[in-house]
Amino acid sequence: DGGITQSPKYLFRKEGQNVTLSCEQNLNHDAMYWYRQDPGQGLRLIYYSQIVNDFQKGDIAEGYSVSREKKESFPLTVTSAQKNPTAFYLCASSPTGAYGYTFGSGTRLTVV
Amino acid sequence: RKEVEQDPGPFNVPEGATVAFNCTYSNSASQSFFWYRQDCRKEPKLLMSVYSSGNEDGRFTAQLNRASQYISLLIRDSKLSDSATYLCVVLGSSNTGKLIFGQGTTLQVKP
Repeated sequence: DGGITQSPKYLFRKEGQNVTLSCEQNLNHDAMYWYRQDPGQGLRLIYYSQIVNDFQKGDIAEGYSVSREKKESFPLTVTSAQKNPTAFYLCASSPTGAYGYTFGSGTRLTVV
Repeated sequence: RKEVEQDPGPFNVPEGATVAFNCTYSNSASQSFFWYRQDCRKEPKLLMSVYSSGNEDGRFTAQLNRASQYISLLIRDSKLSDSATYLCVVLGSSNTGKLIFGQGTTLQVKP
């Protein structure tokens, strides 16, 4: 079955560490997105990519980095520069020109 | 002002009740609108798109008022399984496909 897979489901990070969240899709979607959700808040866009080897900053890109070397994969690195990384991270994909997102099941990141 | 605003609730209603959620958006040039449902600690899932003429899917009716920049979702005959958070979503840019999410309205349906 086609879908979008995020891993790990839960991730614990120590202060000062970089961590990478995985996002893989087999839907043949061109566009991929990373959102962050904090309790009681809406989703906020971190980065997005409409095509391989190209990506754009969203509204809250500081302290994050991404790559898009393959169409299927869009990993997100949470760097030590992100001062408040504890949140629920959601990856999504969509076909070019269509606006329905398919979301992964998310990664819960906690700083310990 | 937030780009998409919703009353966070919670809305506590008995089974069988009719409940309505409202949402306002700030960009008058927005073209596409959606309602997503998010269960506790899960990812959002598309509930329905919202069309200018209004649209219905079973017990759910969505309406758009462009003049007032207002979107609504009506749920009739509420079920326990309708308990969730409902996210109002607006397409931020047709070029990028970026969606802008409201903070969500929480619905709790009681027996």
